[in-house]
Amino acid sequence: GAGVSQSPSNKVTEKGKDVELRCDPISGHTALYWYRQSLGQGLEFLIYFQGNSAPDKSGLPSDRFSAERTGGSVSTLTIQRTQQEDSAVYLCASSAGPGVGELFFGEGSRLTVL
Amino acid sequence: KNQVEQSPQSLIILEGKNCTLQCNYTVSPFSNLRWYKQDTGRGPVSLTIMTFSENTKSNGRYTATLDADTKQSSLHITASQLSDSASYICVVIDNNAGNMLTFGGGTRLMVKP
Repeated sequence: GAGVSQSPSNKVTEKGKDVELRCDPISGHTALYWYRQSLGQGLEFLIYFQGNSAPDKSGLPSDRFSAERTGGSVSTLTIQRTQQEDSAVYLCASSAGPGVGELFFGEGSRLTVL
Repeated sequence: KNQVEQSPQSLIILEGKNCTLQCNYTVSPFSNLRWYKQDTGRGPVSLTIMTFSENTKSNGRYTATLDADTKQSSLHITASQLSDSASYICVVIDNNAGNMLTFGGGTRLMVKP
């Protein structure tokens, strides 16, 4: 596709359930980032993938959060045993990399945990 | 801790007026500083990218300035339009942290008719 695609755009789940959020980066982009944005807050770094290198997971808030990137393209962010404080917009971005080139964001996945 | 602070947190102006948004940062050294526009419910979109050696960069009615000595940047919007209503986010790329991006909290701008 022409841009970064994220799905689902909206997800409502019950506390304790697992959720998966998907990101399709721009074709050919080697760098992929996940961010979390709580209501009215700035972007919080979660994880960074660059090519075949080991991902930078330093921003993941707990072991309930994990992410993978298969074949250097699509990425999935998984949140296990969701909590109400996980409610936020999860944004994915990609860039041509390596190094931080122009960053292109998806529209985000809005997660609401009841 | 490297930080990026933006002010004001929110701003309301009348259509056609100019405004200036501020960004102060402590990230040093840095490779570049960026301004993004984020419409409500959308992902951020890049407005300008400046390296540490650049003082100003324009993108239509948007002009960003950078003073690397005082570690300040500003985004000036000229002749505002209703469509300028959005959050404006300042981002600094930290050379010392594996090119980590540090995001400011954003300024929420509302342009009223």
